[in-house]
Amino acid sequence: LAKTTQPISMDSYEGQEVNITCSHNNIATNDYITWYQQFPSQGPRFIIQGYKTKVTNEVASLFIPADRKSSTLSLPRVSLSDTAVYYCLGRGGANNLFFGTGTRLTVIP
Amino acid sequence: GAGVSQSPSNKVTEKGKDVELRCDPISGHTALYWYRQSLGQGLEFLIYFQGNSAPDKSGLPSDRFSAERTGGSVSTLTIQRTQQEDSAVYLCASSRVAGGSRETQYFGPGTRLLVL
Repeated sequence: LAKTTQPISMDSYEGQEVNITCSHNNIATNDYITWYQQFPSQGPRFIIQGYKTKVTNEVASLFIPADRKSSTLSLPRVSLSDTAVYYCLGRGGANNLFFGTGTRLTVIP
Repeated sequence: GAGVSQSPSNKVTEKGKDVELRCDPISGHTALYWYRQSLGQGLEFLIYFQGNSAPDKSGLPSDRFSAERTGGSVSTLTIQRTQQEDSAVYLCASSRVAGGSRETQYFGPGTRLLVL
């Protein structure tokens, strides 16, 4: 199993940049690094994925160092609506993903 | 449909009763996954289907849990003789194929099960 480790919770003020780091020491060579976001009473939704270096989309940036044993999700200028749980995914088996407990981000006005 | 749908959205049942939860994946998605999420916890993988086959049933917590998928589309998760510890949100997801870490999974809104 390729479990992941990330902080249980984080608080941030509106307008700040938030960085959430995930450790995935046992990542396989062909595994991609994927982050999902979950709002209360909803299913998780994909936000970003990468293999190495840096990936940016309209929602977030993902930084992956050369050894790929960790990754950092960066949310620029968070707003109250970014309050959610953020999951860094590991591999739970051949074709299933390990979600873990995620990082609960609370954005404070 | 446009997204993954699940029914019912909420289910309250008495201990010992059987329940069936339904998932309708995104049209054309061949892979379908079931997860369970207890209050304040992460997602617990239960089972996945590629087409109508279930290559990995390792996450099913006991033999009271079973799932099937017919016609490569709709899936049903059945819990027999429900127990109070079965109370949770049951989430279904689908993806184009069962491709491991690269395939994006699209989740439904979940079924909230409460066993009294």
